[in-house]
Amino acid sequence: ETGVTQTPRHLVMGMTNKKSLKCEQHLGHNAMYWYKQSAKKPLELMFVYNFKEQTENNSVPSRFSPECPNSSHLFLHLHTLQPEDSALYLCASSPQREDYNEQFFGPGTRLTVL
Amino acid sequence: GQNIDQPTEMTATEGAIVQINCTYQTSGFNGLFWYQQHAGEAPTFLSYNVLDGLEEKGRFSSFLSRSKGYSYLLLKELQMKDSASYLCAVMDSNYQLIWGAGTKLIIKP
Repeated sequence: ETGVTQTPRHLVMGMTNKKSLKCEQHLGHNAMYWYKQSAKKPLELMFVYNFKEQTENNSVPSRFSPECPNSSHLFLHLHTLQPEDSALYLCASSPQREDYNEQFFGPGTRLTVL
Repeated sequence: GQNIDQPTEMTATEGAIVQINCTYQTSGFNGLFWYQQHAGEAPTFLSYNVLDGLEEKGRFSSFLSRSKGYSYLLLKELQMKDSASYLCAVMDSNYQLIWGAGTKLIIKP
């Protein structure tokens, strides 16, 4: 089983749709992250969960709603998105929030909003 | 504000050596990371530097100068599979990673 998995890998949705992205990690980590990656821009941290508690929300619009039911799973619920939300959404995990270890990334979900 | 700068794109020849530079200005410093990202794939960890100096790991080496806010990733004996984007990231005082926009490395035969 690969370390961090994400589903779906590709998603096309209309502006009025509701969809969810799923992330699962099999590494026994306690911190999980959502990032947005747009072409030629730095990764943007969206949300951080540490031991299932949300510790950061980097001014993300409310049309993005995270959920972390346990330390292994992370969801990003999407509704009434805008075309500028089209991007690669990456999930990552690390042993815990405040440490020096690298983050392990999933392959991402390529999201297109029409 | 916090800022990470790295070149947008570089081109090198198979078998050669290339150096990718990264300069940073951040609120505190808890280490600098380099990641490799092939097109359409997850970023994967390459190196971590927290003390000044050179860290060597096979064909890849990473250098850090904290006083200059500067790092570089050195890739030797380039192979076609090294064509990828290389991301520089600094961990700030809040243990948050601040990312550069990445350097796309193109390897030519």
